[in-house]
Amino acid sequence: AQTVTQSQPEMSVQEAETVTLSCTYDTSENNYYLFWYKQPPSRQMILVIRQEAYKQQNATENRFSVNFQKAAKSFSLKISDSQLGDTAMYFCAFTDYGGATNKLIFGTGTLLAVQP
Amino acid sequence: NAGVTQTPKFQVLKTGQSMTLQCAQDMNHEYMSWYRQDPGMGLRLIHYSVGAGITDQGEVPNGYNVSRSTTEDFPLRLLSAAPSQTSVYFCASSPAMYRNTEAFFGQGTRLTVV
Repeated sequence: AQTVTQSQPEMSVQEAETVTLSCTYDTSENNYYLFWYKQPPSRQMILVIRQEAYKQQNATENRFSVNFQKAAKSFSLKISDSQLGDTAMYFCAFTDYGGATNKLIFGTGTLLAVQP
Repeated sequence: NAGVTQTPKFQVLKTGQSMTLQCAQDMNHEYMSWYRQDPGMGLRLIHYSVGAGITDQGEVPNGYNVSRSTTEDFPLRLLSAAPSQTSVYFCASSPAMYRNTEAFFGQGTRLTVV
């Protein structure tokens, strides 16, 4: 069974600093997709960044980047120049490429607080 | 562009009552799903559908029913509410063909069963 693990329930960072959120996963598949979703207090789920497993290059989206280590099954999220609006719950998620559905498997989340 | 619309946003039920959470999307997405979010457990898949007339169970299906009579709508029914079903429920949709496409989520329903 595929699993996603986020070992940091809560993290805190000062405004303008950099923070890294950890995610590991377990799968026997070779092709899959990984995502980071952000859930602010409004409850809305917002896609932050995505990574295709067959791409070696790490994905980046403005201040957000990932460190994807396929052999280690690790997918961490780095937030640079943290802003107060980054305060949210962050979920790592996995979906496999070859399955018949788009089922997402989520980690338990990391609550990030950006301090002024 | 409405995206995924969930109703209601909040609901309180008594144990044993039944209700339907509504979900509608206007993006012509084939794939729709229901998740529940509980503290410390992330989001867990309840039921999903790959198209009209096709549904299947996810990780935590007990106590819930779904149907998909149209591409747009995917209601979730609680047959006899129990306190263990107190949770935040999310409906999501995505195009079936493109696995790297983000899932679009509704704004969630906070359900309390007393």
